[in-house]
Amino acid sequence: SQTIHQWPATLVQPVGSPLSLECTVEGTSNPNLYWYRQAAGRGLQLLFYSVGIGQISSEVPQNLSASRPQDRQFILSSKKLLLSDSGFYLCAWSAIKDEQYFGPGTRLTVT
Amino acid sequence: QKEVEQNSGPLSVPEGAIASLNCTYSDRGSQSFFWYRQYSGKSPELIMFIYSNGDKEDGRFTAQLNKASQYVSLLIRDSQPSDSATYLCAVTTGGYQKVTFGTGTKLQVIP
Repeated sequence: SQTIHQWPATLVQPVGSPLSLECTVEGTSNPNLYWYRQAAGRGLQLLFYSVGIGQISSEVPQNLSASRPQDRQFILSSKKLLLSDSGFYLCAWSAIKDEQYFGPGTRLTVT
Repeated sequence: QKEVEQNSGPLSVPEGAIASLNCTYSDRGSQSFFWYRQYSGKSPELIMFIYSNGDKEDGRFTAQLNKASQYVSLLIRDSQPSDSATYLCAVTTGGYQKVTFGTGTKLQVIP
């Protein structure tokens, strides 16, 4: 069966500091991978998605970036965090069909 | 107009009753429809998906799709306190594998 991992689970970072969140998927090959952000009391906002190694599509212009260095690894980064970057960051994967399965998430607080 | 609309609730139902959650979408080309359950502080969990008009049943859950009316619903029979959560409707929009989420309906099942 497939498993998706995210780390860290929680993170408190000062404004202006860098960010690196990691997501890995087990039990499947060539998954589509997604990064979402969920701000407090709000819906899920798609940030990036990837259909293969090195292939990244950005949905929202911002100070975040994503990379996919390996087939089942997806990384979300920032060089300088803003207060508005606080939120619940979710990684998801899907196979051929559209059904997306989410990881446990990383709760980021920027202070 | 929002792409995927849900009543934010809360929707309160007594234990054992049927809970009815509704969702409308704007893209007539949408092909895939999903319901996720999200407990407070946790990541969304896929509970139902439906691709064709009509009803799809899985245990206590029934998803209903009406593409002509651009309407999808989720029925939960014999509601339990453990069903108390926020339910997210999600729809493919703008092309294959791009999923747009509603902001969710909060369900409260009263013992």
